Amino acid sequence: DAGITQSPRHKVTETGTPVTLRCHQTENHRYMYWYRQDPGHGLRLIHYSYGVKDTDKGEVSDGYSVSRSKTEDFLLTLESATSSQTSVYFCAISEEKGALNTEAFFGQGTRLTVV
Amino acid sequence: AQKVTQAQTEISVVEKEDVTLDCVYETRDTTYYLFWYKQPPSGELVFLIRRNSFDEQNEISGRYSWNFQKSTSSFNFTITASQVVDSAVYFCALYILTQGGSEKLVFGKGTKLTVNP
Repeated sequence: DAGITQSPRHKVTETGTPVTLRCHQTENHRYMYWYRQDPGHGLRLIHYSYGVKDTDKGEVSDGYSVSRSKTEDFLLTLESATSSQTSVYFCAISEEKGALNTEAFFGQGTRLTVV
Repeated sequence: AQKVTQAQTEISVVEKEDVTLDCVYETRDTTYYLFWYKQPPSGELVFLIRRNSFDEQNEISGRYSWNFQKSTSSFNFTITASQVVDSAVYFCALYILTQGGSEKLVFGKGTKLTVNP
């Protein structure tokens, strides 16, 4: 199994509070992603990173920020959580190995409930 | 724009039936990769297969097989002799390398497969 760890695995928080989710990898992969999974929407990309301190927005980035100060850690922050951010969050990692071999692995997911 | 369409939201079959999950993708890139993932009721995402755009050879792995056709932009997944343990949500995904050098993994909305005993 790929070495990806998400923490916490479950969290309940109140509206308006800041929340940070952590994704830690031991694979030394260059790319890291945060997705959210909601019924009827599948997985949607929030933010991704293509290197230390290099990040970019995905399709549902509003209300989220990210940071990557080390290759192994990718943090997702909800500055002021809202009920619409109740979701299951997945971290993923990938590394382009040459032109014809690419793998992508996922963490176990974090279930966040904003009340 | 890149897009993955899984038109079947839910499928229900009886054990031992064959079932095909459809995946249609859109991209202008000539180099891309297609994935299938399984998400069982426990919630984790399990990697099933990766296929690159230069290899249209079909693949079989046990009861699973995949049919990649660039002419129709489809990457369909067939489970032969389905079993109750195959019950899960299955996601098709498209991986691209953008012109700016960054990469993205775009998912379909998933197909929920229920295999009844």
